[in-house]
Amino acid sequence: SQQGEEDPQALSIQEGENATMNCSYKTSINNLQWYRQNSGRGLVHLILIRSNEREKHSGRLRVTLDTSKKSSSLLITASRAADTASYFCATDAGWGAQKLVFGQGTRLTINP
Amino acid sequence: NAGVTQTPKFQVLKTGQSMTLQCAQDMNHEYMSWYRQDPGMGLRLIHYSVGAGITDQGEVPNGYNVSRSTTEDFPLRLLSAAPSQTSVYFCASTGGGSYEQYFGPGTRLTVT
Repeated sequence: SQQGEEDPQALSIQEGENATMNCSYKTSINNLQWYRQNSGRGLVHLILIRSNEREKHSGRLRVTLDTSKKSSSLLITASRAADTASYFCATDAGWGAQKLVFGQGTRLTINP
Repeated sequence: NAGVTQTPKFQVLKTGQSMTLQCAQDMNHEYMSWYRQDPGMGLRLIHYSVGAGITDQGEVPNGYNVSRSTTEDFPLRLLSAAPSQTSVYFCASTGGGSYEQYFGPGTRLTVT
């Protein structure tokens, strides 16, 4: 069974708006990552947040982590058409770097 | 660096046939993994390796074999293809103390 569940499953917004995606997981973790997947391509790593961190920024990305609620959110500010992709959260489920457990993903569409 | 490469990109098999999906990385990563992605789903771990000569099962290992004779290569073998194995297969690697996984472009497999 998959560790993470993402919400919403699909999100469509206008260019320039902010996009927020949420991820919930089931077990204790060492860290949580977010990946992007463009249609028909492999996944690309976006950002990692450790279990002792609450918030992390990278460019237009902001990730929060609430270990008490076993949840994380990814905020993309000032969205662009090129941000159209599927976004996945992944946790190590306490195992290690070699075994990631992925959520089902949020499909984000940015309308020009 | 080429990163993670996978061959072939597309493959069609008949039920009962066997084949090997190739994966190679040139980043000297100790960890390598195979995932499958079904439509509208996240990735599920099939097998993984923590170093040459060491492999272990993931979430969905049945019907697949792996071996790791070198650091660079991690082939995935389908023993007797079934329609349920129709999927997109991704190979990934990580190492050097990082949790960030680098993904290959994927192999789209159809079993008829």
